[in-house]
Amino acid sequence: AQKITQTQPGMFVQEKEAVTLDCTYDTSDQSYGLFWYKQPSSGEMIFLIYQGSYDEQNATEGRYSLNFQKARKSANLVISASQLGDSAMYFCAMREISGGYNKLIFGAGTRLAVHP
Amino acid sequence: GAGVSQSPSNKVTEKGKDVELRCDPISGHTALYWYRQSLGQGLEFLIYFQGNSAPDKSGLPSDRFSAERTGGSVSTLTIQRTQQEDSAVYLCASSLLTANTEAFFGQGTRLTVV
Repeated sequence: AQKITQTQPGMFVQEKEAVTLDCTYDTSDQSYGLFWYKQPSSGEMIFLIYQGSYDEQNATEGRYSLNFQKARKSANLVISASQLGDSAMYFCAMREISGGYNKLIFGAGTRLAVHP
Repeated sequence: GAGVSQSPSNKVTEKGKDVELRCDPISGHTALYWYRQSLGQGLEFLIYFQGNSAPDKSGLPSDRFSAERTGGSVSTLTIQRTQQEDSAVYLCASSLLTANTEAFFGQGTRLTVV
């Protein structure tokens, strides 16, 4: 079963605007973590932000924030004031914690293009 | 080393040959992951090593794929009798075993089967 769903294969945004990248997840665990990674054309995987299932506040890291809606099982990434360097693939990932294994599972990704 | 190191960075092999891909995790990281990424696609989970526990091999696509982790550190992913559909970037990542810590990725091995 698909654990992580990213419904937007591609998105574009004007420079300096904000953009939201969608992520929904499926788990029966109460304890889990959600991650976002950026993959530029160079191929490296860059960690952006983390949200724990018990965290009461939405995570923020600089221009990145995570809109966490637990009841809806969504963890959308918001990038404010987009920059040309934000053009990349973005992956949402989940780690279930309460099971015996806590492997990290990724969604299919969203390709973001920032236009000047 | 400072980060996760993978070797080789590029590998071209003939169909039917065996290949070994190596991953050197960050020192002290007891969790190690292998993923496969085809061009323009997402990360396909292959195998996960967690401390001294038996690995989670649920993502290995066929019995031609195997992996081991020696001494809780270096890992080797082996693909036997390679096929053209095995061509992809193979990514290794490592992390601490605490659930809220991110995984750190290597630069990947680009495998091309001709």
